[in-house]
Amino acid sequence: EPEVTQTPSHQVTQMGQEVILRCVPISNHLYFYWYRQILGQKVEFLVSFYNNEISEKSEIFDDQFSVERPDGSNFTLKIRSTKLEDSAMYFCASRTSVYNEQFFGPGTRLTVL
Amino acid sequence: SQQGEEDPQALSIQEGENATMNCSYKTSINNLQWYRQNSGRGLVHLILIRSNEREKHSGRLRVTLDTSKKSSSLLITASRAADTASYFCAPGSSNDYKLSFGAGTTVTVRA
Repeated sequence: EPEVTQTPSHQVTQMGQEVILRCVPISNHLYFYWYRQILGQKVEFLVSFYNNEISEKSEIFDDQFSVERPDGSNFTLKIRSTKLEDSAMYFCASRTSVYNEQFFGPGTRLTVL
Repeated sequence: SQQGEEDPQALSIQEGENATMNCSYKTSINNLQWYRQNSGRGLVHLILIRSNEREKHSGRLRVTLDTSKKSSSLLITASRAADTASYFCAPGSSNDYKLSFGAGTTVTVRA
């Protein structure tokens, strides 16, 4: 069964460094998302992406964050200058349409030291 | 988007028993999804029920939807230790792309 994949599974970085989290959504999906979950807290929406542009973003998704779909398969989340509070699990998700199931990847655990 | 509110917050049952949890939401929906999250892991999609459906089954899972009461329930029958996880509902509407998640119901299945 097709699934969303994410790499790396765990990323450790120093505060102020740039990180890129990578996702490969399910191949025929058109809507792409990033969510995050700080340890012990709820899953929070960051950004949605459709037709090669951001369709919606949360207030968490400030100028330090960016997303890109550089080719037909990858979907990336970049954090330009990481802060301690960016430490969280980051989940990528995709779906065929807003009427259908949204499938999540296994997540990347980001630790900022 | 609207967030579902799961109830109870926590549930502890014996292996083999059934587990029922509820979800309430505030405004009309197109569909509602249920997810499972094992500790520290990703969200696993369990089932999607559309607004014109009243009940849906998948294996040991049964989901109901009552749009007049703006509520849904998830029943896990014959629970197993592997069902120990947090369960979340996510109401969806056609004019909202994203999902919002509440605190979930934490289910513990005792051997």
